[in-house]
Amino acid sequence: SQKIEQNSEALNIQEGKTATLTCNYTNYSPAYLQWYRQDPGRGPVFLLLIRENEKEKRKERLKVTFDTTLKQSLFHITASQPADSATYLCAPTRNQAGTALIFGKGTTLSVSS
Amino acid sequence: EAGVAQSPRYKIIEKRQSVAFWCNPISGHATLYWYQQILGQGPKLLIQFQNNGVVDDSQLPKDRFSAERLKGVDSTLKIQPAKLEDSAVYLCASSSDYLYEQYFGPGTRLTVT
Repeated sequence: SQKIEQNSEALNIQEGKTATLTCNYTNYSPAYLQWYRQDPGRGPVFLLLIRENEKEKRKERLKVTFDTTLKQSLFHITASQPADSATYLCAPTRNQAGTALIFGKGTTLSVSS
Repeated sequence: EAGVAQSPRYKIIEKRQSVAFWCNPISGHATLYWYQQILGQGPKLLIQFQNNGVVDDSQLPKDRFSAERLKGVDSTLKIQPAKLEDSAVYLCASSSDYLYEQYFGPGTRLTVT
């Protein structure tokens, strides 16, 4: 069955460092992958989408890579800030109607000042 | 632009009772999703609508859950009868197309006692 694993449920880093979150998937060939941020008591918020033919995508302090050979996506937050503390969810999906996003459990990032 | 609206925000019911959740998506969004998020897990898709037609309901427990999207706009998710394991946050999301980013509402936290 399709499986998505996100590295360690919790990641603690110091302000100013780069946070790297990992998303691995098995038994699955997604055409694209999305990353969302979720704060306690709120719905997920879209951050970035990367397609299978894109190796890397950037948005401000965020960077996502997508390696279809390794079946892995890495999500980086550079110059992290306490406001970046949240749960980050990855969601790979195939490129066809009716194919839902399958979310990982998420990685909870805590940035201390 | 107004976001995805959901009501109620919180609901507490006893097992075997029924409950309904309402969602109003972002104006013009053709695709609407209902997710169930159990504490510590990522959202799990229950049903996906494209306009007022069902695209994917493979993970909807149809013996107790039902959903409709009349006129391709608002949607209602119903549980009847509720079980203890239905305690979760029910998230509604919408997107302009199934390929694009999803916008989530704040969710309804259901507690079944």
